[in-house]
Amino acid sequence: EVQLVESGGGLVQPGRSLRLSCVASGFIFDDYAMHWVRQAPGKGLEWVSGINWNSGTIGYADSVKGRFTISRDDAKNSLYLQMTSLRPEDTALYYCAKDFRGGTSGIFDPWGQGTLVTVSS
Amino acid sequence: EIVLTQSPGTLSLSPGERATLSCRASQSVYSKYLAWYQQKFGQAPRLLIYGASNRASGIPDRFSGSGSGTDFTLTISRLEPEDFAVYYCQQYGSSPFTFGQGTRLEIK
Repeated sequence: EVQLVESGGGLVQPGRSLRLSCVASGFIFDDYAMHWVRQAPGKGLEWVSGINWNSGTIGYADSVKGRFTISRDDAKNSLYLQMTSLRPEDTALYYCAKDFRGGTSGIFDPWGQGTLVTVSS
Repeated sequence: EIVLTQSPGTLSLSPGERATLSCRASQSVYSKYLAWYQQKFGQAPRLLIYGASNRASGIPDRFSGSGSGTDFTLTISRLEPEDFAVYYCQQYGSSPFTFGQGTRLEIK
């Protein structure tokens, strides 16, 4: 069974940094692209970033480009999201999601349960 | 960026009825690269449909998708109590990948 477990969320002041992690199990991690998708409280879904199987293709939403960095450590079956210069509008539940394929197809299946990031002074 | 608009915003139906959810794109979605997700309260989204009409693994056949270009539809043939949730369409034909704002399917 595929499992994705996110961690690293919390309350952080505007302008500060935070690093999210996602540990994967139940599949061959280095065969698949991975993504971060977020959901602000009571709102819809927003794709944040994706990384293909060998880290050769990386993409970001315009809203986070230049502030967030996605990475992966295949030896640890882990996906990361380094978030800097955080803003109140980055407040959301951040989901880790496995891609359907090794390349970033953009089909998200399955999703983790999410880690909550709150940006507030 | 492709903007997806879902309608209606809320759909009130009874178990056993047929549900039809719409997703319209601001420009043509490449190669039917359109997915549907279901999100129940307090849970992560779940993939239902990809490629506009392909059911994901384990999804009951009462769920079906159709459409191409800019107009797509998710149909639930006979609603079960567990189907009442929020549904999102998503395009993955071009980056950034974008979602619709969601349709809430509620019990009438």
